[in-house]
Amino acid sequence: SAVISQKPSRDICQRGTSLTIQCQVDSQVTMMFWYRQQPGQSLTLIATANQGSEATYESGFVIDKFPISRPNLTFSTLTVSNMSPEDSSIYLCSVETADRYGYTFGSGTRLTVV
Amino acid sequence: GNSVTQMEGPVTLSEEAFLTINCTYTATGYPSLFWYVQYPGEGLQLLLKATKADDKGSNKGFEATYRKETTSFHLEKGSVQVSDSAVYFCALSDNAGNMLTFGGGTRLMVKP
Repeated sequence: SAVISQKPSRDICQRGTSLTIQCQVDSQVTMMFWYRQQPGQSLTLIATANQGSEATYESGFVIDKFPISRPNLTFSTLTVSNMSPEDSSIYLCSVETADRYGYTFGSGTRLTVV
Repeated sequence: GNSVTQMEGPVTLSEEAFLTINCTYTATGYPSLFWYVQYPGEGLQLLLKATKADDKGSNKGFEATYRKETTSFHLEKGSVQVSDSAVYFCALSDNAGNMLTFGGGTRLMVKP
């Protein structure tokens, strides 16, 4: 399975600032997925990032708040913009496995907004 | 749309007890089904999966059988250990190369 390196692993940020989370995969993948896990909650898909095109956002998530870059087939970034305490969550990236029957997750970024 | 429902936690068991975490799903077509585990302070790890009806996924003593007739994928383990304490997520993929739909997660606490 692909190995995903996600960073930072955690951060504490001031409200109104922005944080960019990086996700590096050790193999080329077509789609990368960004999830949010709010405290004590399940995972919710934010967007799907395809190389060479704009990310596709799920209902309730917008590009201005969560801009995503996908410059190549092994890398993506998610920015959490103009943060508020409600953005405090774990953010995870994910890719489909080579056999296309599973998904691998990064270790997550634990974000606290104060 | 797709949805996954799993039993609410926390589930508290003594070591060596039998574990069942119920999971049912709603989906069109023939989804793939997964159980993921999240240990304290860590990301998600794939525990097991099943890609077609009647398949049994198994790993680390855990197993789950894909039951299309009951749209279920219950997680079981015959004898839990303290180290199994974690949050378990049931999930499905619609096999269109699209994202996972997760259940709400079930926290398991195993006491010595």
